[in-house]
Amino acid sequence: EAQVTQNPRYLITVTGKKLTVTCSQNMNHEYMSWYRQDPGLGLRQIYYSMNVEVTDKGDVPEGYKVSRKEKRNFPLILESPSPNQTSLYFCASSLSPQGFQPQHFGDGTRLSIL
Amino acid sequence: SQQGEEDPQALSIQEGENATMNCSYKTSINNLQWYRQNSGRGLVHLILIRSNEREKHSGRLRVTLDTSKKSSSLLITASRAADTASYFCATGSGGGADGLTFGKGTHLIIQP
Repeated sequence: EAQVTQNPRYLITVTGKKLTVTCSQNMNHEYMSWYRQDPGLGLRQIYYSMNVEVTDKGDVPEGYKVSRKEKRNFPLILESPSPNQTSLYFCASSLSPQGFQPQHFGDGTRLSIL
Repeated sequence: SQQGEEDPQALSIQEGENATMNCSYKTSINNLQWYRQNSGRGLVHLILIRSNEREKHSGRLRVTLDTSKKSSSLLITASRAADTASYFCATGSGGGADGLTFGKGTHLIIQP
């Protein structure tokens, strides 16, 4: 089954403790991206990747890092999480540039930073 | 970047009725997409309509696009309880450096 898998689905942690949210897709998609969803603000793009070793900032990249060492994986790294990063995070992938094609979303990761 | 804005923010109708949601955006686009999000889940792609198309159908869904008015509508016919969800429009300029820009969504409630 074609899918985007995120882990963990839920995480409560404390300020400053480094964490990684993993994302994996099995559709051989070149494009992957991370979004955060906050009430009243909708979905905002954090980072995206057009291919292996090619990543770029989205609209709200501050406080986040990503890497794309393999085509299928696109982890999101919070080196020093802060409470304002409490949010619902989504990973997505698409066959070609995001603006041309539908995106496939994971089920989300709800992060709470205390 | 351009942004889709959905209207209304919330909509409650009876099962069996039709639901219409609207989306407006600001700048020229390559395509416009509609997504559905069930509570606590990821977004699911519904329909993509390109800028040179005016109308598209998929099952009980009908999407229209008016590029002169920079607006789109999503019509769900014969609504069901399972259609209860949030619906988002997203605009794409088509460039590799530009992603999709999502609106804030319309929350649709279908009353049994």
